[in-house]
Amino acid sequence: GAGVSQSPSNKVTEKGKDVELRCDPISGHTALYWYRQSLGQGLEFLIYFQGNSAPDKSGLPSDRFSAERTGGSVSTLTIQRTQQEDSAVYLCASSLAWAANTEAFFGQGTRLTVV
Amino acid sequence: GENVEQHPSTLSVQEGDSAVIKCTYSDSASNYFPWYKQELGKRPQLIIDIRSNVGEKKDQRIAVTLNKTAKHFSLHITETQPEDSAVYFCAAKTAGYALNFGKGTSLLVTP
Repeated sequence: GAGVSQSPSNKVTEKGKDVELRCDPISGHTALYWYRQSLGQGLEFLIYFQGNSAPDKSGLPSDRFSAERTGGSVSTLTIQRTQQEDSAVYLCASSLAWAANTEAFFGQGTRLTVV
Repeated sequence: GENVEQHPSTLSVQEGDSAVIKCTYSDSASNYFPWYKQELGKRPQLIIDIRSNVGEKKDQRIAVTLNKTAKHFSLHITETQPEDSAVYFCAAKTAGYALNFGKGTSLLVTP
């Protein structure tokens, strides 16, 4: 596709349920980021995939959060046993190479609402 | 890890005036400093970036300056227009590590 694609655009889930958020990066981009943006707040770093290296998971807020990137392309962010404080927009971004400092392109985000 | 501080959190200017947003970073190895603009309900988009071997970069009405010694960089918008109203994020990156963002500046340009 032409840009970073995220699905679903919106997700409403009941407290305690698990959710999966998907990110399709730009083809050929080896670096992939997940961020969380609460209402009116900044971009909170969650996890960073860099080529075939081990991901930087230092931003994950709890062990309920996990992410994987299969085949160096599509990434899935999983939140287990969702809580109301998990409600936010989850943004994915990708960039051309992890070593070179190049523009990160963002997807449109997934708005998660936990009720 | 990298820590990016951004000021001010909100900024209101009159149309035609200049706006300046300042950021500091903690990791002296950081060598890439992008600025993103996020309009309401939209995704962040890159407006300008600067690398550590450059002290200043300009693109029409926007410019960014970098002081590596002091570890701070700034965004300057001249001749502001109502369509410049948005949230602006600075970021800093070291090669091989994540892109770390400041908390954002909400800019309002009033006609």
